[in-house]
Amino acid sequence: QKEVEQDPGPLSVPEGAIVSLNCTYSNSAFQYFMWYRQYSRKGPELLMYTYSSGNKEDGRFTAQVDKSSKYISLFIRDSQPSDSATYLCAMRTNFGNEKLTFGTGTRLTIIP
Amino acid sequence: ETGVTQSPTHLIKTRGQQVTLRCSSQSGHNTVSWYQQALGQGPQFIFQYYREEENGRGNFPPRFSGLQFPNYSSELNVNALELDDSALYLCASSDAGTSGTDTQYFGPGTRLTVL
Repeated sequence: QKEVEQDPGPLSVPEGAIVSLNCTYSNSAFQYFMWYRQYSRKGPELLMYTYSSGNKEDGRFTAQVDKSSKYISLFIRDSQPSDSATYLCAMRTNFGNEKLTFGTGTRLTIIP
Repeated sequence: ETGVTQSPTHLIKTRGQQVTLRCSSQSGHNTVSWYQQALGQGPQFIFQYYREEENGRGNFPPRFSGLQFPNYSSELNVNALELDDSALYLCASSDAGTSGTDTQYFGPGTRLTVL
């Protein structure tokens, strides 16, 4: 079993829709949770960074962490064609080095 | 502020050869991590360098090795290339030790193809 599970999609939604992306994990030592966006043939770009449980909002993006369920989510409101990309969840513990453990990524397409 | 840069952008090698990939960290960052991203997969941690010392290693064989220089730039070396080494190699820099700013920022990657 992988430490981090993420539905690879692909996921296609119409422009303006609310998008929900999710990851589950098995390692209860994970404390820091991130979402990265990766356009085709580019490096991942940090979108959201959350410590422990709770919600964080930044513009059209909201990240949620539920440590009791080992479940994290990213919501995108008023989705735009420019949001079409692969979204990667990543997480790490609070110990030692900053190794990130990633999900496989969800490929998202916003249809104009 | 300069972001993370990597060179070369693309590289084609044959099985058994050796390759060196380079990374310049973001200004002010003292830590570099390397990841391998196979097609359709998430990045996998190779190793991390902090102030020129290896600071953790993932599940990769010894033929993957690295260096970090006094200016915090870094190299990833892979010996005896195998077909499965074909992937996007990502470098990420961070400023370890500064509270709240230890997030990793990624470069554009080097796409390695092994024939």
